Amino acid sequence: GDSVTQMEGPVTLSEEAFLTINCTYTATGYPSLFWYVQYPGEGLQLLLKATKADDKGSNKGFEATYRKETTSFHLEKGSVQVSDSAVYFCALSPFEGANNLFFGTGTRLTVIP
Amino acid sequence: DGGITQSPKYLFRKEGQNVTLSCEQNLNHDAMYWYRQDPGQGLRLIYYSQIVNDFQKGDIAEGYSVSREKKESFPLTVTSAQKNPTAFYLCASSTHEGAPRGYTFGSGTRLTVV
Repeated sequence: GDSVTQMEGPVTLSEEAFLTINCTYTATGYPSLFWYVQYPGEGLQLLLKATKADDKGSNKGFEATYRKETTSFHLEKGSVQVSDSAVYFCALSPFEGANNLFFGTGTRLTVIP
Repeated sequence: DGGITQSPKYLFRKEGQNVTLSCEQNLNHDAMYWYRQDPGQGLRLIYYSQIVNDFQKGDIAEGYSVSREKKESFPLTVTSAQKNPTAFYLCASSTHEGAPRGYTFGSGTRLTVV
């Protein structure tokens, strides 16, 4: 079945360090892929998305490229800030109009000054 | 501004009680969803509704019930049959086109059984 596997955390980085959070997926069709961010005590916010192979989603300095050959959608940021401390979720929609998103278990990022 | 409002933010329930979590959206979204989040786990789908007066069970519907009498509202009742209800509950909505456009989430309700 469709699923998402993301790297386990927690991840602790110093400010201005490079961030990578790995996400791989399993899907039978042509899924859309998402990254969501959850700040403490809040709901999830859509960070970026990609709907087809080789698409790059980007927002707020974060990027992720939909790689069909490696079934991956890794999240990257060149220089993290303390304000980026949050939990990051990779998610998959199996097809357009699907009734559900499949979420990874989340990766907690802490950025220290 | 449009969005999803969940209330209350914190809720305490005694053993054997039913409680209802509120979810209201003014985004004119057709579809609404309830997810449960437990520590160290991803989100699990409880129920979803694509149109008024219709809803479907998700992966973990046992012990929960919902209604969708209005487009804007999708309340979740946690019944006494739910054996482990302590969790963070998230409501979401999306347009009719569904997930590829992304969901909009509420800020969540943290339910604790005391």
